[in-house]
Amino acid sequence: RKEVEQDPGPFNVPEGATVAFNCTYSNSASQSFFWYRQDCRKEPKLLMSVYSSGNEDGRFTAQLNRASQYISLLIRDSKLSDSATYLCVVNEYSSASKIIFGSGTRLSIRP
Amino acid sequence: NAGVTQTPKFQVLKTGQSMTLQCAQDMNHNSMYWYRQDPGMGLRLIYYSASEGTTDKGEVPNGYNVSRLNKREFSLRLESAAPSQTSVYFCASSAPGQGSSYEQYFGPGTRLTVT
Repeated sequence: RKEVEQDPGPFNVPEGATVAFNCTYSNSASQSFFWYRQDCRKEPKLLMSVYSSGNEDGRFTAQLNRASQYISLLIRDSKLSDSATYLCVVNEYSSASKIIFGSGTRLSIRP
Repeated sequence: NAGVTQTPKFQVLKTGQSMTLQCAQDMNHNSMYWYRQDPGMGLRLIYYSASEGTTDKGEVPNGYNVSRLNKREFSLRLESAAPSQTSVYFCASSAPGQGSSYEQYFGPGTRLTVT
């Protein structure tokens, strides 16, 4: 089983739709969690950290469920510019060597 | 403030050739990383440096060496390139934040092809 698993997609949704991605992780000792965004042929960039109580940044909402070991990202009122690959990232053991990237979920927003 | 810079952006090597990928950051971060990204596999850690003067192996270190030249610079060397090392290479840096979170900042990547 992969340490961090994501549905690869692609998700193809119309502009204005709400879309949600899940990510599961295998190590219950994992300590910090992030969503990164990666545009085609570009470097990953931090979208948002994921906190235990859940957090929101504009149209984006991140949730953490430690009991079930999954993280979610919800995008409301999707825009064409949201088209990208979304990477789930898990940091285990507070160690620089244990930052695990999921393979990403591709999102395509159509007009 | 350039963030993380990488050179070169593109490189084609023949099997057996050597080269060094350069990375520099101007954010005064302690930690620096080298990743490779292959289709369908996500980013995999090659080597990292938690602080100046230290380096450690990541998930896929074979065939690579690194040097943390100073706090700003972290280079990755391929001594004898193989086709399996064809990939996109990203350098990243981070400073531990509150709660031991490691938010990372990435360079633009080097696209390497080994023929």
